[in-house]
Amino acid sequence: GDSVTQMEGPVTLSEEACLTINCTYTATGYPSLFWYVQYPGEGLQLLLKATKADDKGSNKGFEATYRKETTSFHLEKGSVQVSDSAVYFCALNANNDMRFGAGTRLTVKP
Amino acid sequence: DSGVTQTPKHLITATGQRVTLRCSPRSGDLSVYWYQQSLDQGLQFLIQYYNGEERAKGNILERFSAQQFPDLHSELNLSSLELGDSALYFCASSVEGVYNEQFFGPGTRLTVL
Repeated sequence: GDSVTQMEGPVTLSEEACLTINCTYTATGYPSLFWYVQYPGEGLQLLLKATKADDKGSNKGFEATYRKETTSFHLEKGSVQVSDSAVYFCALNANNDMRFGAGTRLTVKP
Repeated sequence: DSGVTQTPKHLITATGQRVTLRCSPRSGDLSVYWYQQSLDQGLQFLIQYYNGEERAKGNILERFSAQQFPDLHSELNLSSLELGDSALYFCASSVEGVYNEQFFGPGTRLTVL
C-alpha cells in the first residue's frame, strides 16, 4: 500500500546550520505530498505542500521538491533557528487517503 | 488557529472507565479524522468519517468507537480504558480531494491512571 518513510531522528543542529530531512514515498497513483510541523504542546500544522511532479513547496524558509524519479520529497532549510525546534512529519495523500511518516524530531541549539 | 476545535484539552481518568472526546471541524469540511499519538508509536490513524458516514478505518481498537453527527461534529468514545491508552488524540478535518491537506485540532491529552 501507499506509505511514507522519513529519516529517523532525533536531529540536533546548531543555529544557522543547514537542514535536510529525507522523505521517500511509495504510491500507486499520483499523490500530493506534504510536510507538517508539530511544535511542543501543539497540533500538526501544514508547513508546505506539492501536488505534482517537479513542484516546489516553500514556506518560512523551508522548501521541498516533488521528485517523481526518485520518489522523494526532502525537506531543506539553509539556516535553521532555535524556533524551528519541532517534530516534522512527511505525508502523502493518494485517493483521499492520507499517510504520515513517523516524524523527525529537530532540536536547534543556540 | 486551524479552525478545528477539540474538547476537552486534558482528561485524567482511571483504568476501566469510559470517556468521550469531541471535535468540531472547520466550517465547510465534511471529512473528520481521528488520530492517536503516543511517544512510542508516533501518529496512528484511527478512523475517518465523511458527512456522517464511516469512510475508512485504521488501527482502531474494538473498545473505541466514533460517530459524526448531522452538524458534522464528531465524537470519539474510548471505553474499558487501559494504561496504554494514555496518549494525545487529534482530530483533523479536510475538504475531499487528493490535493487537499488535513487541518488538525490542538488535541486532547488523555491520561489513564
